[in-house]
Amino acid sequence: GAVVSQHPSWVICKSGTSVKIECRSLDFQATTMFWYRQFPKQSLMLMATSNEGSKATYEQGVEKDKFLINHASLTLSTLTVTSAHPEDSSFYICSASWDYINEQFFGPGTRLTVL
Amino acid sequence: SQQGEEDPQALSIQEGENATMNCSYKTSINNLQWYRQNSGRGLVHLILIRSNEREKHSGRLRVTLDTSKKSSSLLITASRAADTASYFCATDRAGGTSYGKLTFGQGTILTVHP
Repeated sequence: GAVVSQHPSWVICKSGTSVKIECRSLDFQATTMFWYRQFPKQSLMLMATSNEGSKATYEQGVEKDKFLINHASLTLSTLTVTSAHPEDSSFYICSASWDYINEQFFGPGTRLTVL
Repeated sequence: SQQGEEDPQALSIQEGENATMNCSYKTSINNLQWYRQNSGRGLVHLILIRSNEREKHSGRLRVTLDTSKKSSSLLITASRAADTASYFCATDRAGGTSYGKLTFGQGTILTVHP
């Protein structure tokens, strides 16, 4: 099956710093990548949809200046949490799809802890 | 906003028993998918059922979809301790700009006791 990786798998940072999370599709070209966040014992909430070569589409309530998304190639999308604060601590998961009408393949997630 | 609601929120059974989880949603969909998540890990895709399908099987999994009731069920037969995980349904809403976007239910925590 299709494999999606995320890096790093976990990160701890100080409040006010920026953190970049990478999402890569390893064996297929992803026209669309999605970013989700998940709080403990809760479900996944879609943050944004990113298409290669175009601006990301953010869900209502998600600050695009805080969560910068870049989808520079068909195999890589990055999420940068700018000026992170403790309330940004969460589990961030990406998914990738090659034609967005079929299943999405999920990465293993990145645990962000902001001190 | 969350479209899907799942019940039960938690399910505890013995190995060998069947586990049934239900999912309800609110809007028209293109497809409904079931995922599994082990604690603190990513999601594993289990099965996708399209809006024009009523039932689908994959190994010990059986998924049904009733679009008139806007509901789906996931049945895991002959459960194993390794099936212990959280299970989520996710809907791909039809129409508009939602195409391809998944909305997840709240999930069911399944515990299978050996």
